[in-house]
Amino acid sequence: QVQLVESGGDLVKPGGSLRLSCAASGFSFSDSYMSWIRQAPGRGLEWISYISSSGSSIVHADSVKGRFTVSRDNAKNSLYLQMNNLRVEDTAVYYCARAVGYGAGAYFDYWGQGTVVSVSS
Amino acid sequence: EIVLTQSPATLSLSPGERATLSCRASQSVSGSLAWYQQKPGQAPRLLIFDTSHRAIGVPARFSGSGSGADFTLTISSLEPEDFAVYYCQQRGNWPLTFGGGTKVDIK
Repeated sequence: QVQLVESGGDLVKPGGSLRLSCAASGFSFSDSYMSWIRQAPGRGLEWISYISSSGSSIVHADSVKGRFTVSRDNAKNSLYLQMNNLRVEDTAVYYCARAVGYGAGAYFDYWGQGTVVSVSS
Repeated sequence: EIVLTQSPATLSLSPGERATLSCRASQSVSGSLAWYQQKPGQAPRLLIFDTSHRAIGVPARFSGSGSGADFTLTISSLEPEDFAVYYCQQRGNWPLTFGGGTKVDIK
C-alpha cells in the first residue's frame, strides 16, 4: 500500500537550518508529482512547495521562497525539503503528499503522518 | 492568491443529521475543488476531488457540489466517525490554497 514517511523534524533556533525527508513506497514515485504542506499548531493547512516527477518544475509559496528548497531523488524514492533561515512562524507539522495533476492543477491523494518542526530560541 | 472562506467555522450536530459545509472563493476557481477530512493527531484524508468525485473508499454519504466561487460538501447522515475538521482546497491557480476549515462536532 502507499506509504509516505517523513523524518528530520527537530527543535531549532531562529536562523537555523533543517532538512526534511520523505520516504515513499507502494507506488511509482518517479512518475508522481509531490508536495510539502504544513500546519502550524491549532491552525489550518498551508501548501508550501511542489515538484514535478522529474524535478524539472518546482514551485514554492511566497512565504518560503528563497529560504526553502524542495528536491527529490527518484533512485531512492525520496523527497526532501531543505529549510534555511528558519523563523518562529515556520513552526508546524510538515506533511509530504502525493500530488495528482500537473502544476497548479494538483490535489493531494496520499499524505504522510507528518514531522514536527519547532523554531524557538 | 485565491482566498477560500469556509463556513460555518463550527457545526454542532447530532449523529444522523445532515451536514452542509460551505467553501466560498475570493474569485472564480479556474480548476476545481477538493475536500479533505482531518481527525485529531492524524494527517488529512482526501474525500472529494474535482468538486464532486469521491476518492477511493469514501462512503456515499459524502457528496460535493458547486461551481465558480461557491462550493458545498454535504454529509447526508452523520456517522460517529464523521466528527472532524473539513478543509477545502482549490486547484487551478498558484499558490494552491486551503480554506480555514470547518469543525463538525457532536451536539
